[in-house]
Amino acid sequence: QQQVKQSPQSLIVQKGGISIINCAYENTAFDYFPWYQQFPGKGPALLIAIRPDVSEKKEGRFTISFNKSAKQFSLHIMDSQPGDSATYFCAASINRVKAAGNKLTFGGGTRVLVKP
Amino acid sequence: DGGITQSPKYLFRKEGQNVTLSCEQNLNHDAMYWYRQDPGQGLRLIYYSQIVNDFQKGDIAEGYSVSREKKESFPLTVTSAQKNPTAFYLCASSTSPGTVNTEAFFGQGTRLTVV
Repeated sequence: QQQVKQSPQSLIVQKGGISIINCAYENTAFDYFPWYQQFPGKGPALLIAIRPDVSEKKEGRFTISFNKSAKQFSLHIMDSQPGDSATYFCAASINRVKAAGNKLTFGGGTRVLVKP
Repeated sequence: DGGITQSPKYLFRKEGQNVTLSCEQNLNHDAMYWYRQDPGQGLRLIYYSQIVNDFQKGDIAEGYSVSREKKESFPLTVTSAQKNPTAFYLCASSTSPGTVNTEAFFGQGTRLTVV
């Protein structure tokens, strides 16, 4: 059962453009939604995260939009740069309940290529 | 520098052989995790541990085993029962669930190939 669905699988954007990645989840118990960035051959690194009590969070060129009623959240990369070329994963976990173990459920990933 | 160290970076396994992947963290995190990543796919949870001497199966635990004898260490053994072990294995750690900042930190991964 895929609890977090991510789209698109790949994305090509021109330098300076906006990259938009969407995720949808099924489990309403999820209460922590991070985005990870992964470069080839490396482990993922946390990019930005949001909790369901806010609808938007911005850090630099990266913004998460969260729609609790639709069970969807998205990542916007503004002014995309060639260095942003990587694979991006959305994830979700149940964080407030210790017994849930804070296990991350990942989306399938989006490979982003920013053309100069 | 604090972080998670996985070794080796590359590992080759013969058919029917057990191999152990190492994961060490010096972040003083209680929780540790093992994920498997296949080409073009997301990460799938193999095992996780919230405390020393305790661990739980994840979504794809069959053919794998773990131990958590020390807080800093969470080795993963890929047994001969795992029929398709070729993949990129990622170890992660985080503070305990329910705390404020529960960011999961990942190691650099071990690429396992069956030869």
